[in-house]
Amino acid sequence: DGGITQSPKYLFRKEGQNVTLSCEQNLNHDAMYWYRQDPGQGLRLIYYSQIVNDFQKGDIAEGYSVSREKKESFPLTVTSAQKNPTAFYLCASKPHDREVTVEQYFGPGTRLTVT
Amino acid sequence: AQSVTQPDIHITVSEGASLELRCNYSYGATPYLFWYVQSPGQGLQLLLKYFSGDTLVQGIKGFEAEFKRSQSSFNLRKPSVHWSDAAEYFCAVGRLDTGRRALTFGSGTRLQVQP
Repeated sequence: DGGITQSPKYLFRKEGQNVTLSCEQNLNHDAMYWYRQDPGQGLRLIYYSQIVNDFQKGDIAEGYSVSREKKESFPLTVTSAQKNPTAFYLCASKPHDREVTVEQYFGPGTRLTVT
Repeated sequence: AQSVTQPDIHITVSEGASLELRCNYSYGATPYLFWYVQSPGQGLQLLLKYFSGDTLVQGIKGFEAEFKRSQSSFNLRKPSVHWSDAAEYFCAVGRLDTGRRALTFGSGTRLQVQP
C-alpha cells in the first residue's frame, strides 16, 4: 500500500537534546512538507521541499532543520534552539508543488514531548 | 496574505442531526479551499475541495460545502451526523504567495456527537 509513514508515534526527549522525526513516503511524490500542530492553532508550516536536494523555510522554521537527500525521505530535526518543541508533528506530500489544487496527503503524525 | 477563520472551536450535535461548520477566508484572488478531517491522534484526510465552477461541492462521507464569494465563506455541511463523524475539522486555503503551494489552515473545529 502506498502512503506516508512517520515514526515513532510518540517520542519523549529531555530538554537540550536534538531529536529527529522520520517521514517516509512511497507515493513517488516530489513535494514534501512538515507542519506543527498545537491545540487551538491549527497547522503551521515548518519546512517544505519541492524536489530532492532542495528545501525552503516555512512560517516557523526557527529551531528546526531538515534534509532531502532521497525522494522518499524528509526527516525533521528539532534542535535545542526550539523554545517550545512539545507538539504534534505532521508530514505531508503531494505529487508536485506546481499546482496548489493538488491534494496533500498526510502521515499519521508524531507526538513529541520534551521535558 | 491569506488567512482562514473557523469561528467555532467546539460543536456538539446529536446523532442524526444536521451539521454546519463555518469557515471564513481572507484572500484577494480566487481561493482554493479545502476541508480536512482529523481523527484523534491521526493525520488529516481530505473531505472535499473547491477550485472553480459549481459552488456546491460534494465530498466523501456524505459531506458537502458551499462556496459563497460574497460572504467569503466555505461552510461544511452534513444532513445527518453519525457517531463516527466525531473528529476535528480543518478548513484550509491554498497559498500562491512566494511561489509556495502550501496550505494555510484554520484553527479547527472539534465536533462531538451525542447519542
